[in-house]
Amino acid sequence: KAGVTQTPRYLIKTRGQQVTLSCSPISGHRSVSWYQQTPGQGLQFLFEYFSETQRNKGNFPGRFSGRQFSNSRSEMNVSTLELGDSALYLCASSWRERTNYEQYFGPGTRLTVT
Amino acid sequence: ELKVEQNPLFLSMQEGKNYTIYCNYSTTSDRLYWYRQDPGKSLESLFVLLSNGAVKQEGRLMASLDTKARLSTLHITAAVHDLSATYFCAVGKSNFGNEKLTFGTGTRLTIIP
Repeated sequence: KAGVTQTPRYLIKTRGQQVTLSCSPISGHRSVSWYQQTPGQGLQFLFEYFSETQRNKGNFPGRFSGRQFSNSRSEMNVSTLELGDSALYLCASSWRERTNYEQYFGPGTRLTVT
Repeated sequence: ELKVEQNPLFLSMQEGKNYTIYCNYSTTSDRLYWYRQDPGKSLESLFVLLSNGAVKQEGRLMASLDTKARLSTLHITAAVHDLSATYFCAVGKSNFGNEKLTFGTGTRLTIIP
């Protein structure tokens, strides 16, 4: 079974631009969560999508947004990029059932903002 | 607000030695996870601990959970170089069916031959 895939794997953007990252979950998984990893702040939860609805949100500004499509694929968007947005962005998918919440992580998208 | 603390942050140990990484969390948890991350790579799931007293072992790694003490440990037995990586614990909290992971700071483990 294919794992979680993320595109692109690497991205360089300039301050003020916007960026869209994509995540395709494991087949059958309906929940997608996004995390930001930086050396200073570590791994932080951004948001979770399930059934095309945002179900949970972390403490990030409104510049960070996302969506989920009917096939469970998800995108996250960051507008008006800042230098501090440089990070590894990880998405994770899960079944999200009562007894199985385990999340499987994709390879990540490394975003560099210059 | 849930806080997850790991210690030590850095650990350098010789091959063949045993050591333990500690993960403390501040509120009740639903699930406790351990992940491994190699440099430049994603997170690899190692263990999911669901209940008090849970113990899981895989090779030279053993994880345990004490929900009363809000403590999980990852024990490394007879370390080998291949175990060099950063290890994260994460607490999963459910809220109306949603789960959010709160990660510890990570422990960078270096095994010296």
